[in-house]
Amino acid sequence: KQEVTQIPAALSVPEGENLVLNCSFTDSAIYNLQWFRQDPGKGLTSLLLIQSSQREQTSGRLNASLDKSSGRSTLYIAASQPGDSATYLCAVRPGENYGQNFVFGPGTRLSVLP
Amino acid sequence: DTEVTQTPKHLVMGMTNKKSLKCEQHMGHRAMYWYKQKAKKPPELMFVYSYEKLSINESVPSRFSPECPNSSLLNLHLHALQPEDSALYLCASSQLPGHLTSGANVLTFGAGSRLTVL
Repeated sequence: KQEVTQIPAALSVPEGENLVLNCSFTDSAIYNLQWFRQDPGKGLTSLLLIQSSQREQTSGRLNASLDKSSGRSTLYIAASQPGDSATYLCAVRPGENYGQNFVFGPGTRLSVLP
Repeated sequence: DTEVTQTPKHLVMGMTNKKSLKCEQHMGHRAMYWYKQKAKKPPELMFVYSYEKLSINESVPSRFSPECPNSSLLNLHLHALQPEDSALYLCASSQLPGHLTSGANVLTFGAGSRLTVL
């Protein structure tokens, strides 16, 4: 059974710092991995999606990498801003069962202090 | 249109009420999902519809009844709920692997319906 973990569970950094969020999964037979952002009481906003055949994706100050063989993904946030404060979740889409059973990690709660 | 729209945003109901949550998307996605999310927890999958047919039911109590009238709409009918069912209910949609449309793989969420059961 696929399990997804994220470390750290919470992170507090001063504005301007570069930071890395980690996501690990136990079964490397994935279709893709997606990073989301969630603000309190709101829905999930997709940030980046990495297909299983890809190594990384970039969008603005965000860069996500994927090492499928080791079961790891990282989300790199450059020059963090207070507006980046949110919970960041990774989700793995399995390669079987038509990829319907997305498995979510527990999330990393990020606070960027002005 | 790249959105998933959920209504209502907030719902308060008593344990004897019958209510429904609604979800709509016009991205041509053929898979639609209901998730339940409690505070400070990740979303928990409840139901998946693929090509308008129920394909996954994660052992959800029968007081939750999903319905997919067509490829754009997804409903969640609520009846005789318990206070512990209070949560944020999230709808999402995606294309299914192997579909030929571009940008097909992203799981797209709505803003959620905040449900309070008194």
